[in-house]
Amino acid sequence: NAGVTQTPKFQVLKTGQSMTLQCAQDMNHEYMSWYRQDPGMGLRLIHYSVGAGITDQGEVPNGYNVSRSTTEDFPLRLLSAAPSQTSVYFCASSYSGSLSGNTIYFGEGSWLTVV
Amino acid sequence: KQEVTQIPAALSVPEGENLVLNCSFTDSAIYNLQWFRQDPGKGLTSLLLIQSSQREQTSGRLNASLDKSSGRSTLYIAASQPGDSATYLCAPHPFNPKETSGSRLTFGEGTQLTVNP
Repeated sequence: NAGVTQTPKFQVLKTGQSMTLQCAQDMNHEYMSWYRQDPGMGLRLIHYSVGAGITDQGEVPNGYNVSRSTTEDFPLRLLSAAPSQTSVYFCASSYSGSLSGNTIYFGEGSWLTVV
Repeated sequence: KQEVTQIPAALSVPEGENLVLNCSFTDSAIYNLQWFRQDPGKGLTSLLLIQSSQREQTSGRLNASLDKSSGRSTLYIAASQPGDSATYLCAPHPFNPKETSGSRLTFGEGTQLTVNP
């Protein structure tokens, strides 16, 4: 059971370049989310999805796009990378359909540096 | 907007000590609360999930309690070991009658624990 898989693990981008961080889960989870983690700021929600075809913005969505064409995949796109987007990115997923008891699972993270 | 505070920010203890990590949150309208562990350069590993109907949850040497009305949760680690050294994060699951919990978490900045041999 692979759980939540993120690729790439490390990436260096030049300012203005675009790229996509991939996230896939094999647990048939409906909920998927992207967070970024920065020193002194903790983890902050970028975008989330409650099911295929449904996405919504989190706390810090600017500069990022998401789509959810399948239950398994939730890619995060950086449209035009900026140094402020240097961060560690985490993808997370969980079940829906229950009002309690939904453990959230995280990927191993993607370290992104924008120069 | 939910705000989560974790105290202390850092803690260094000798091996074998029992210790308590604190988490407070401003919005008590939550479903559950989850404690995570993060090792340097790694992702988050779920330790305990306390459901809204529970007041505490135990797993091995870990015990977490939840008091929703006062906006507090504590993580108790018994007989600490060097392998417990990590950053511990708490995250309340938001309450939303239109969707089940789990998609939008607010995290504290964590408590960085060092257990010295």
